[in-house]
Amino acid sequence: TQLLEQSPQFLSIQEGENLTVYCNSSSVFSSLQWYRQEPGEGPVLLVTVVTGGEVKKLKRLTFQFGDARKDSSLHITAAQPGDTGLYLCAGGQETSGSRLTFGEGTQLTVNP
Amino acid sequence: NAGVTQTPKFQVLKTGQSMTLQCAQDMNHNSMYWYRQDPGMGLRLIYYSASEGTTDKGEVPNGYNVSRLNKREFSLRLESAAPSQTSVYFCASSELRRFTEAFFGQGTRLTVV
Repeated sequence: TQLLEQSPQFLSIQEGENLTVYCNSSSVFSSLQWYRQEPGEGPVLLVTVVTGGEVKKLKRLTFQFGDARKDSSLHITAAQPGDTGLYLCAGGQETSGSRLTFGEGTQLTVNP
Repeated sequence: NAGVTQTPKFQVLKTGQSMTLQCAQDMNHNSMYWYRQDPGMGLRLIYYSASEGTTDKGEVPNGYNVSRLNKREFSLRLESAAPSQTSVYFCASSELRRFTEAFFGQGTRLTVV
């Protein structure tokens, strides 16, 4: 059973477009992280959000944690080819210590 | 900056063969993890070790065993490989606390024929 569901699974857009990736669950998470993975590499952390309603910005990327801490979104403004990669959300729960539950991932391709 | 180092990077096994995937971290982290990554499935936790001397099953432990050799090293063993174990395997480490970042190795691409 996948506790975290990401959508869309695949996204192919043109350079300069905006996009949003969603991460949803029926469970409450104490934290939500977003990772980016490039081919042949392991995932690398982009951001951690821990408070319901929290918004964090990382240059052209905006991350939001839902008020009820059951969902999150990643918005990219004016996407660039360098943004291409697999984006993974990962949730931490109070009873799980440092363990994370990962979503299925969103494969983003930004075409020049 | 080595971080998390996995060996080997690629491996082809015949059904029924055994092998051990090695993982070492140099960040003095207490917790270590083994994940498998399959298309459309994200990362699924196989086993983890919260601290030296402890190991626990994750979401998909069947067919695998682990050994936390010391604080730095955490190995994953396939005793009798099956085609269903064809996957990319990632080792990760983190501090033993909430909201902490997980650091990943580069992965081992395993094919079982």
